[in-house]
Amino acid sequence: QITLQESGPMLVRPTQTLTLTCTFSGFSLTSTGRAVGWIRQPPGQALEWLALIYWDDEKRYSPSLSTRLTLAKDTSKNQVVLTVTNVDPVDTATYFCAHTTILNVDFDFWGQGTPVTVSS
Amino acid sequence: QSALTQPVSVSGSPGQSITISCTGTNSDIGTYKYVSWYQQHPGKAPKLMIREVSDRPSGVSHRFSGSKSGNTASLTISGLQTDDEADYYCASYTISSAFVFGSGTKVTVL
Repeated sequence: QITLQESGPMLVRPTQTLTLTCTFSGFSLTSTGRAVGWIRQPPGQALEWLALIYWDDEKRYSPSLSTRLTLAKDTSKNQVVLTVTNVDPVDTATYFCAHTTILNVDFDFWGQGTPVTVSS
Repeated sequence: QSALTQPVSVSGSPGQSITISCTGTNSDIGTYKYVSWYQQHPGKAPKLMIREVSDRPSGVSHRFSGSKSGNTASLTISGLQTDDEADYYCASYTISSAFVFGSGTKVTVL
């Protein structure tokens, strides 16, 4: 059974760096083909894909946010960390992490999401 | 990469069928079979309903079906039920090796 859980601060000040952690179980990011993605959803708005990290450490970022996003994985802890630099109130959203693979190019298992507010 | 275009809202009566469209470009839907659909109830995480244009993951009702023509994908819900009332999002892989989601459609069961 695959599960994912996001964690991080609920409130961040503008211009600060936001660090979010996705802790997962039921699979390993050392297994060929596995990947973890991040998706966010501002209040009342649509889903927005942010980034993806593969088992081989290959990373993909949203073109519109690539300069502000960084992904890293810790396979010993079954965690993926997303950092977002220089946050702004428009980054206020619920942030989800989700499982995918190179065979099934979709997000089949999701975390419950963690809400983040950017405000001074 | 702009969001895929979906109608803001679609409604139907119980038992009816509805179809939600998702329009992209030759850079995403038009090139790949990797179109997926997600159902999201208020306050919940999205749930995968359709993968690779028309495949249903295990456990998803056969009332949900998907198709694609050119740059437009579609999700059809037949035999509409009250629990189908939710937001629905399409998504596609892109030529930039990225993903793009749709603008979302609110389905209302009258």
